[in-house]
Amino acid sequence: QQQVKQSPQSLIVQKGGISIINCAYENTAFDYFPWYQQFPGKGPALLIAIRPDVSEKKEGRFTISFNKSAKQFSLHIMDSQPGDSATYFCAAPRGRYNFNKFYFGSGTKLNVKP
Amino acid sequence: DVKVTQSSRYLVKRTGEKVFLECVQDMDHENMFWYRQDPGLGLRLIYFSYDVKMKEKGDIPEGYSVSREKKERFSLILESASTNQTSMYLCASSRPTSYEYNEQFFGPGTRLTVL
Repeated sequence: QQQVKQSPQSLIVQKGGISIINCAYENTAFDYFPWYQQFPGKGPALLIAIRPDVSEKKEGRFTISFNKSAKQFSLHIMDSQPGDSATYFCAAPRGRYNFNKFYFGSGTKLNVKP
Repeated sequence: DVKVTQSSRYLVKRTGEKVFLECVQDMDHENMFWYRQDPGLGLRLIYFSYDVKMKEKGDIPEGYSVSREKKERFSLILESASTNQTSMYLCASSRPTSYEYNEQFFGPGTRLTVL
């Protein structure tokens, strides 16, 4: 059973464009949503995270938007660069107040064309 | 800087062989994890360890076992490798927490091919 559903599976964006990756969840007990970035040949690394008491969090060109009523959260990459080409995973905790283990989405492979 | 290392980047084994994947972290983290990464399926948790000699099954433990004899080292064991265990295996570690966000630190992965 997939606890976090991520889309699209792959994404091609021109340099300077906006990349948008979406995740939907079912369990309303989730209260922390991180995004991980994985470059080819490397392990995933934490990129940015949000708690649902805020609707948006921005760090540089990366923004997480959170819609609690729709049970969705999204990663937006503004002014996408070829160096952003990577696989992105959303994640959610496995239980309320359980910050030790996560469910991960299926991943989105982003290709930013120069 | 947290560092998680895995013993091999690439491994080729034959069906039926016993396979050991080793992971070492240098940040004194209590939590350690083994994931399997397959295209379109994301990261699936195989096993989790929250202390030396302590372990919990994840979502796909069948065909795998783990060993944690020292805090810094977490081993994944395939008792009898099968072709459907061909995959990328990722190890991760984190400090324990029950009250704040928790970042997992990943190793570079071991790509295992079972022939």
